[in-house]
Amino acid sequence: EAGVAQSPRYKIIEKRQSVAFWCNPISGHATLYWYQQILGQGPKLLIQFQNNGVVDDSQLPKDRFSAERLKGVDSTLKIQPAKLEDSAVYLCASNRGAAGGFSTDTQYFGPGTRLTVL
Amino acid sequence: GENVEQHPSTLSVQEGDSAVIKCTYSDSASNYFPWYKQELGKRPQLIIDIRSNVGEKKDQRIAVTLNKTAKHFSLHITETQPEDSAVYFCGSSGWGKLQFGAGTQVVVTP
Repeated sequence: EAGVAQSPRYKIIEKRQSVAFWCNPISGHATLYWYQQILGQGPKLLIQFQNNGVVDDSQLPKDRFSAERLKGVDSTLKIQPAKLEDSAVYLCASNRGAAGGFSTDTQYFGPGTRLTVL
Repeated sequence: GENVEQHPSTLSVQEGDSAVIKCTYSDSASNYFPWYKQELGKRPQLIIDIRSNVGEKKDQRIAVTLNKTAKHFSLHITETQPEDSAVYFCGSSGWGKLQFGAGTQVVVTP
């Protein structure tokens, strides 16, 4: 089966600019996750979707980050305006999901988007 | 919320030796513990996972042990090979988000 797809793979922007990332999960996967991975750290969950609904966005900096999954398939993550500390790899992951949005199924990761904010 | 600590942060081993990485977690409700391997510039990939109803799981040269009483779990890699060089992340989740440790950089020297 095809894996999780993400684009772009790399993005360089200046601070205060806007940027958007796209993710296409594995077909049939109900749950989609966006993670931020800062160099030298483990992935940190930003937001979790179950179909087109948000399950957890407690760690999403909502003053500058937004995400949507309107049709329950593809998702976009936006940063506006970007700050220097947003430089990181943004990983998308998906899994089959469990009822209610709580899942301990294996998460499959995309290749990530490496964002550099200058 | 869940807090996952991972040690060591770096691990250098000679080819053929064993490598052990340890993680501790704080939430007693956690019941799923995956391990991911991430090679430089690549996506994290699941190498093994364990659920709380099992104390040990093995897959060829890789094994994971879980001690729920002490809230810690470990990854064991035997007969290490140069291709085992990567960053390894442990994870812990229960009724909620999957939390990752900070990672262990494993370097296997020939």
